[in-house]
Amino acid sequence: AQSVTQLDSQVPVFEEAPVELRCNYSSSVSVYLFWYVQYPNQGLQLLLKYLSGSTLVESINGFEAEFNKSQTSFHLRKPSVHISDTAEYFCAVSEGGSNTGKLIFGQGTTLQVKP
Amino acid sequence: DSGVTQTPKHLITATGQRVTLRCSPRSGDLSVYWYQQSLDQGLQFLIQYYNGEERAKGNILERFSAQQFPDLHSELNLSSLELGDSALYFCASSVEGSASHFVGYTFGSGTRLTVV
Repeated sequence: AQSVTQLDSQVPVFEEAPVELRCNYSSSVSVYLFWYVQYPNQGLQLLLKYLSGSTLVESINGFEAEFNKSQTSFHLRKPSVHISDTAEYFCAVSEGGSNTGKLIFGQGTTLQVKP
Repeated sequence: DSGVTQTPKHLITATGQRVTLRCSPRSGDLSVYWYQQSLDQGLQFLIQYYNGEERAKGNILERFSAQQFPDLHSELNLSSLELGDSALYFCASSVEGSASHFVGYTFGSGTRLTVV
């Protein structure tokens, strides 16, 4: 069975500092990987995804994630965070070749950006 | 506005009661997903419908049921409610129903259910 582990429940960081949110997954088959962001009192928004091809994927707001098959990881990074990045971040996995769109989510990581 | 509409936004009801949560998917999306978000369980997949038919089932209790109507809106019915059912219930939609063409969900803003 697939599972997703987000290694940190909370990550405090100062504004303009770099950040890494860690995600490891477990699956016996090929996977698709996603990062979603949830701002307070809102639904989840897709941040970026890995389906195939280049293992480094980027979002429009400066986040990037690298798929590492050997380490079964999909860590999210940003070189310089802003106050507005404060939110909860969810890593998710979907089974490649599956006939469903079911996603397995991690428990989430709260990113707290301090001034 | 994500394009996925969930109603009501908030719901407070007593134990033992039955409620219906409604979701209208984004225009053009054929697949609807229901998730439950709680502090102890996180985001749990409940069920997926694709073009009116059940496509996948997750950890959905027997007291819960769902359906997708011909106009593609979906309803999640929760009955014999317990205190532990208090959670945020999200609906999401996507164009495709299978992971092989998956481009990511669009989530609604959720229905917060409080059972007292």
